[in-house]
Amino acid sequence: EAQVTQNPRYLITVTGKKLTVTCSQNMNHEYMSWYRQDPGLGLRQIYYSMNVEVTDKGDVPEGYKVSRKEKRNFPLILESPSPNQTSLYFCASSKIPGPTHDTQYFGPGTRLTVL
Amino acid sequence: KNEVEQSPQNLTAQEGEFITINCSYSVGISALHWLQQHPGGGIVSLFMLSSGKKKHGRLIATINIQEKHSSLHITASHPRDSAVYICAVIGVEEYGNKLVFGAGTILRVKS
Repeated sequence: EAQVTQNPRYLITVTGKKLTVTCSQNMNHEYMSWYRQDPGLGLRQIYYSMNVEVTDKGDVPEGYKVSRKEKRNFPLILESPSPNQTSLYFCASSKIPGPTHDTQYFGPGTRLTVL
Repeated sequence: KNEVEQSPQNLTAQEGEFITINCSYSVGISALHWLQQHPGGGIVSLFMLSSGKKKHGRLIATINIQEKHSSLHITASHPRDSAVYICAVIGVEEYGNKLVFGAGTILRVKS
């Protein structure tokens, strides 16, 4: 089954404790992206990757890191989480990179709480 | 001013009604997505448009690039259509390949 998986689905952590949210897709997609969703602010793009070893900042990259060493995986790293990073996070992928995108496939979401 | 504006913010309809959700944007775009977010939180891509009109079942999406406006129509609405509908644009020039999202329209269809 074609899908985007994220782990963990739920995470409660404390300020400053490094964490990684994994994202994996099995569709051989080139474009992958991370979003956060907050009440009243909607979805906002954190980072995206056009292909292996190619990553770019979205609208809210501060406090996050990403890497794209393999085509299928695009982990989101919070080196020193803070309470303002409490949010619902989505990973997504699509087949075709570039301005005219293909359908975006979303992961199930990761609900992160930073105390 | 947000680059992407959706209207209405909230919409309640009776089962069977024809529904229209609007999306206006202020930047030049290369494409526009309509997304559906279910009450459980999952997000599904409904349409990707760069011109004209697309139809899938009871859903129809249109875009007018010159007027910077897109609409999502639902015919013969059903309670299972209750969800948040989100418009997202892929901008050109300074926006590169980033997606910019509208705030979403919360739709509730009553039986």
